[in-house]
Amino acid sequence: DAGVIQSPRHEVTEMGQEVTLRCKPISGHNSLFWYRQTMMRGLELLIYFNNNVPIDDSGMPEDRFSAKMPNASFSTLKIQPSEPRDSAVYFCASSFEQGATYEQYFGPGTRLTVT
Amino acid sequence: KQEVTQIPAALSVPEGENLVLNCSFTDSAIYNLQWFRQDPGKGLTSLLLIQSSQREQTSGRLNASLDKSSGRSTLYIAASQPGDSATYLCAVRPGGTASKLTFGTGTRLQVTL
Repeated sequence: DAGVIQSPRHEVTEMGQEVTLRCKPISGHNSLFWYRQTMMRGLELLIYFNNNVPIDDSGMPEDRFSAKMPNASFSTLKIQPSEPRDSAVYFCASSFEQGATYEQYFGPGTRLTVT
Repeated sequence: KQEVTQIPAALSVPEGENLVLNCSFTDSAIYNLQWFRQDPGKGLTSLLLIQSSQREQTSGRLNASLDKSSGRSTLYIAASQPGDSATYLCAVRPGGTASKLTFGTGTRLQVTL
């Protein structure tokens, strides 16, 4: 199993530009999570999906952020327009939510720098 | 609101020492607790998961314990090695069907030669 796959691994963009982060969860997993990690706030859950449906997006910081999961094997997190304070590492994680443990598996992350 | 605290924030030990990392949480109504390892610039790797009904879990040199009533978990690392150097995070999942993990702030461990 290839694990959770994220792309790109690094993204540098200028303020005001649109940024799209991509995630492929582990095959067979039915829940997907987007997290953001910064030195100041640690790991924060932005949004999570169950069976491709957004369940809780209360962590999405503002309307500039949007996430989609068009099918069970792909999700995107979009920031439009991007701002320097969006600079962080964005992680995607997946789990099988009908199992007993609900163990989450993380991708390698996308390091976003907005200048 | 669940709060998860990890003490100490950083720890440096010589190779070969046994060590304990601490995790405390304010709401004891948890479904399970998961310990992760994060290497610099990398993602999180799941180390151990303890269900609320369990007292401990072991994997190799790692042993995690859970005392739900007191809101505490410990991660014991035996015979530490330089390769154990990383940040260790604990995360709790609330009871019921909610899927949101609440993460601790992490303990940065350095094992020196």
